[in-house]
Amino acid sequence: QSVLTQPPSVSGAPGQRVTISCTGSSSNIGAGYDVHWYQQLPGTAPKLLIYGNSNRPSGVPDRFSGSKSGTSASLAITGLQAEDEADYYCQSYDSSLSGFWVFGGGTKLTVL
Amino acid sequence: EVQLLESGGGLVQPGGSLRLSCAASGFTFSSYAMSWVRQAPGKGLEWVSAISGSGGSTYYADSVKGRFTISRDNSKNTLYLQMNSLRAEDTAVYYCAKGPIVVVVAGAYYFDYWGQGTLVTVSS
Repeated sequence: QSVLTQPPSVSGAPGQRVTISCTGSSSNIGAGYDVHWYQQLPGTAPKLLIYGNSNRPSGVPDRFSGSKSGTSASLAITGLQAEDEADYYCQSYDSSLSGFWVFGGGTKLTVL
Repeated sequence: EVQLLESGGGLVQPGGSLRLSCAASGFTFSSYAMSWVRQAPGKGLEWVSAISGSGGSTYYADSVKGRFTISRDNSKNTLYLQMNSLRAEDTAVYYCAKGPIVVVVAGAYYFDYWGQGTLVTVSS
């Protein structure tokens, strides 16, 4: 079981908006630690998509946005495109005994 | 351009050892913390270990503490992961990942560049 909980799958048609949630607890997201998001296209390494809750690295389209509130965070993708079909992971820091940097279980985005 | 190239993966028997390497280029290696992150077949991502830019601070996941050792040679721009007492559950693709700054800051640490990964299979 992952410390951060994501839905296993989401889907949307081209052009639509989808959101992926990442639910944590008082020892990670709720403690104020930043949330970061990664995109993993099939057969490739993960790529940083959002850092520091809502910041996009250079080269990431502004169709991707992140937000955080309380013990949860969300990744929103607008104007969905076929090439967005991938696995998405959230990541944060956890201060519990097991500690350190934790990932969500991942969400498979299917573009219909 | 940042490049991270892992090597050293392969098939090893349970209880065996393996050393992974990650050759870095395109940035000032000693100025950034580095990590290893693994992904078991068909599964999600799991952070394994991290090291500060100087190599003076190291961090391990509970699942590998006491068995794995992270190190770096800044003169060779290379990151290492020595893996001992390997178990079947260590089977995964191991990614080398660059941190955003020289130190490992708990709540603000993330992985801004990743290598292509190297597969480690632990099986008899």
